[in-house]
Amino acid sequence: DVKVTQSSRYLVKRTGEKVFLECVQDMDHENMFWYRQDPGLGLRLIYFSYDVKMKEKGDIPEGYSVSREKKERFSLILESASTNQTSMYLCATQDRRFSDTQYFGPGTRLTVL
Amino acid sequence: GENVEQHPSTLSVQEGDSAVIKCTYSDSASNYFPWYKQELGKRPQLIIDIRSNVGEKKDQRIAVTLNKTAKHFSLHITETQPEDSAVYFCAASPAGGTSYGKLTFGQGTILTVHP
Repeated sequence: DVKVTQSSRYLVKRTGEKVFLECVQDMDHENMFWYRQDPGLGLRLIYFSYDVKMKEKGDIPEGYSVSREKKERFSLILESASTNQTSMYLCATQDRRFSDTQYFGPGTRLTVL
Repeated sequence: GENVEQHPSTLSVQEGDSAVIKCTYSDSASNYFPWYKQELGKRPQLIIDIRSNVGEKKDQRIAVTLNKTAKHFSLHITETQPEDSAVYFCAASPAGGTSYGKLTFGQGTILTVHP
């Protein structure tokens, strides 16, 4: 069974704070993704990574950065949190050698006050 | 880039009825089209997918059809049950290169099945 975990289920931060969201997987998947989910907008890709230290911008990278120092860990960083970054953040992984299926983490609901 | 439009945004049916959700995509290079189901409070999970070399795929009560010429694909659920109630997302993905695996999702459809 694929296990994808995220560091927090709920997080409350203040405007201007630096925020770290972490995703960890135990299946040796190469690809990892960060999405944000907002009602009526679906899931929008922020960044993805297809290997250690490799990253590519998704559709809405502004205000975010990522880090992938180890294969199993993919971090999303909000350099200076703003209220419009209040959202549900979902991490996903994919084993591109064998499958197109993405496996999602449980999500982190971030509120920026 | 790819753009995926999904309709309707909400769908309400009686148990036993069929439900159809439609998506259109813009990039003719897209060749992989998955559907994800997200139950309330849960993570999205893949329920069915189709590739551009196939016109239709069926798995028990769910089926997906693809019209490459028109650039649209649809999810069909027959004999709906209350446990089918969820948010459904369609997505499209290009082939190969460093963008392999990158999905563009539709806006989602909230399906409610009334007993």
